[in-house]
Amino acid sequence: SYELTQPSSVSVSPGQTARIICSGDVLAKKYVRWFQQKPGQAPVLVIYKDSERPSGIPERFSGSSSGTTVTLTISGAQVEDEADYYCYSATDNNLLFGGGTKLTVL
Amino acid sequence: QVTLRESGPALVRPTQTLTLTCTFSGFSLTTSGMCVSWIRQPPGKALEWLALIAWDDDKYYTTSLKTRLTISQDTSKNQVVLTMTNVDPVDTATYYCARAREYSYGHGVDYWGQGTLVTVSS
Repeated sequence: SYELTQPSSVSVSPGQTARIICSGDVLAKKYVRWFQQKPGQAPVLVIYKDSERPSGIPERFSGSSSGTTVTLTISGAQVEDEADYYCYSATDNNLLFGGGTKLTVL
Repeated sequence: QVTLRESGPALVRPTQTLTLTCTFSGFSLTTSGMCVSWIRQPPGKALEWLALIAWDDDKYYTTSLKTRLTISQDTSKNQVVLTMTNVDPVDTATYYCARAREYSYGHGVDYWGQGTLVTVSS
């Protein structure tokens, strides 16, 4: 079965660039979405189709893809970006989430 | 404006059946390509997809829980219901419903409800 793998944590200082990687064989042929989840809140979509940004999401959020790896980049990370980030993809009849990455900005 | 809201019991006894209802607005499950999915998150852990029901009543389940889950829809009420049989304390989690859309490349989840915490304990 397919799996999506993420680092458990990433830490940056405010203003630095944060990069969160998601890897999995399925990503060579399927798009990824990224969700941001703050404590006690529901996830929010921040990137879809690997690199598209929904309306209302700050431009500092971007995504890229290469082979079986996708990257969420937060350029000039802000304190308010501190959250858990989950990658997501879908095979024919199965939806997959990565294990989540805790981003610390301090 | 798309909204989803989960409802159901906060506490369930082991071996009982859990029934959760998702009431949504801002879209219709009779529209081609629309879907509703259930996703859960145990305390302090990752998101786990459970089930999805599509506009054409196709249903999909995560393999590990397939025998215990049933997803259904009531289009007249804009509701989707998930039942989980024979619950166990490991099923303690926040349960989310979310809208998804069918694309040529797969299902894309976008809007989420706020979630409902279900505790399984005797």
